[in-house]
Amino acid sequence: EVQLVESGGGLVQPGRSLRLSCAASGFTFDDYAMHWVRQAPGKGLEWVSGISWNSGSIGYADSVKGRFTISRDNAKNSLYLQMNSLRAEDTALYYCAKGEAVYYGSGSYFDYWGQGTLVTVSS
Amino acid sequence: SYELTQPPSVSVSPGQTARITCSGDALPKQYAYWYQQKPGQAPVLVIYKDSERPSGIPERFSGSSSGTTVTLTISGVQAEDEADYYCQSADSSGTSPVVFGGGTKLTVL
Repeated sequence: EVQLVESGGGLVQPGRSLRLSCAASGFTFDDYAMHWVRQAPGKGLEWVSGISWNSGSIGYADSVKGRFTISRDNAKNSLYLQMNSLRAEDTALYYCAKGEAVYYGSGSYFDYWGQGTLVTVSS
Repeated sequence: SYELTQPPSVSVSPGQTARITCSGDALPKQYAYWYQQKPGQAPVLVIYKDSERPSGIPERFSGSSSGTTVTLTISGVQAEDEADYYCQSADSSGTSPVVFGGGTKLTVL
């Protein structure tokens, strides 16, 4: 059974940093691209970032480019999101999502999702 | 930036057919995907590559594509289908590889 378990969320002041983690199990982690998708309270889904199986291809939404960094450790079956210079508009539930292919890019979609970790940016 | 447009809400009675549309200029060239999200739960993929249904998704869920519009059809709607539905695709240039529609709230009357 595929499982994705996010952690690392919490309350953080504007301008500070936070690192999210996603522990994956139930599939061969290094065979698939992975993504972060967020959902602000009461709002829709927003893709944040994606990374290919070998970290060779990475992409970000314009709203987080230059502030967030995605990474993965295939030996630990883990995905990460380093979030710097956080803003109030980054407040959201952050989902870890498994891509359906090895590569990240146009045509990516998500066949499994975690339950999310909540990030609240507020003073 | 590229946008996918969905109606904010759709309402149907149990047993009827619900149709949720998603419009975008690149849809003739890019596949569309559909997710169901119930309150307090993570999204679930219900349609991929315009019309393919993942294993475990009931046959009453189907997808179709025509020009710049894709449609999620739920035949014989059940109360348990009440949820938010999101389409997802990409633009044709590769600038926006993953884009979600704004979501449609399906209400079963």
